[in-house]
Parts: sequence; C-alpha cells; structure tokens
Amino acid sequence: DIVLTQSPGTLSLSPGERATLSCRASESVSSSDLAWYQQRPGQAPRLLIYGASNRATGIPDRFSGSGSGTDFTLTISRLEPEDFAVYSCQQFVYSPCTFGGGTRVEIK
Amino acid sequence: QVRLQQWGAGLLKPSEALSLTCAVYGESLSGYYWSWIRQTPGKGLEWIGKINHGESSDYNPSLKSRLMMSVDMSKNQFSLKLISVTTADTAVYYCARGPYRGLRGFDIWGQGTVVIVSS
Repeated sequence: DIVLTQSPGTLSLSPGERATLSCRASESVSSSDLAWYQQRPGQAPRLLIYGASNRATGIPDRFSGSGSGTDFTLTISRLEPEDFAVYSCQQFVYSPCTFGGGTRVEIK
Repeated sequence: QVRLQQWGAGLLKPSEALSLTCAVYGESLSGYYWSWIRQTPGKGLEWIGKINHGESSDYNPSLKSRLMMSVDMSKNQFSLKLISVTTADTAVYYCARGPYRGLRGFDIWGQGTVVIVSS
C-alpha cells in the first residue's frame, strides 16, 4: 500500500495567517489521484481538493493544492475561524486507496 | 442536492456481524461508485470498499475475507456487512459517493455511524 506522511502533525497559527500543509507519498502518485479533505470535530470529512489542484464544489478560493510525484501541498492563504480543523490527504493510485494521518491546524 | 443517510446497529459483541445501510437521496446509484470508510483514533481514516449499481465491487484486502457489500436499486440504497467483528472494528463508519469518472475523491458523505464492539 502507498503510505502518505503528512507534516507537520500540528500547525499553530492565528486567523489571517497562511497555512502550508505537506503530504509526502512513499511512491509516485499521479496528480489526478491525490485529494485533500477537511474534518471538523464531530463531522464527516469534506472534500476540498481533487486531482491535486482542483477545488471541489463550493470550496473557497483561499484553499489551493499543488505538487506532483511524491510531494503535495495544501495551502490556505488566509485562515478564517472555520478553517481550524484536521486536514488529510488521500491517494487513489491503486487499490486500496489510502489516507494520510492528518495535520491539525489549531488556533495559536 | 445529493444527500446520504446511513443507519445500522451501533453496539455489537465480538463475533457478531456488523450491518450498515446507506440511502442515497437526490441522485441515482447509477454512474458512480459508492464507498464505505471507517475512522478510528488510532488508525485514522481507512477505506473499506466500494460498489457500483452493477454490483461491481472492490474491497480493502485487509477486510476482504469478512466483507460483503450490496446494492438495492429499487430503494436507491447500498449496504455493508462485516462478519466476525472484533474490538478492532470499533470505529465511526461513513458511507460516501466516489470515486467516479472525473473525480477521484469522496465528495458526498453520510453523517457517520458509531460502532462499538464490546463483550
């Protein structure tokens, strides 16, 4: 299985700041096969980004994704209060698809 | 607006079978894969398997020997059955839409079902 390693484990930032989250794969992942999710406490995950850089329906443009090969990045340009949550990456290169362990973005 | 509503038994004893159903509203089952995902504090998010309207399925090898998924087109529902559960199967279980042509991701999720396996 492809292992996705996310860093940092926790990111402490203030509203208005920029957040940069990393997802590193144990082997090369096609950009079309990389997604990002946001999960708030007590809620189901919410798809943010698919195909490494495509925002899902209704996702604000402060969220952006980039990367290729084994290194992918989720950037939140200016953190809003509702953005403090856990973010996970996911790959679909081959079955079984797998998720990263998540990055918690917390209020500093 | 597409919505998924899921239900099933939340408390099981070891060796029992876990059964969950997910109803799809606002969209036909046709044209998509429909997945089950579970989440534990220790292992995080784990994909369980997927199925489409033609009952073509794909299961996580770690669960394949205990798992069966099915669809009921007349009710626009899909289901999961996991037999011989252990405490390791304690998790929040989600149903979700995807992946599908043009979007390799899970874009619509159910509300989640807490399943506890305990003697």
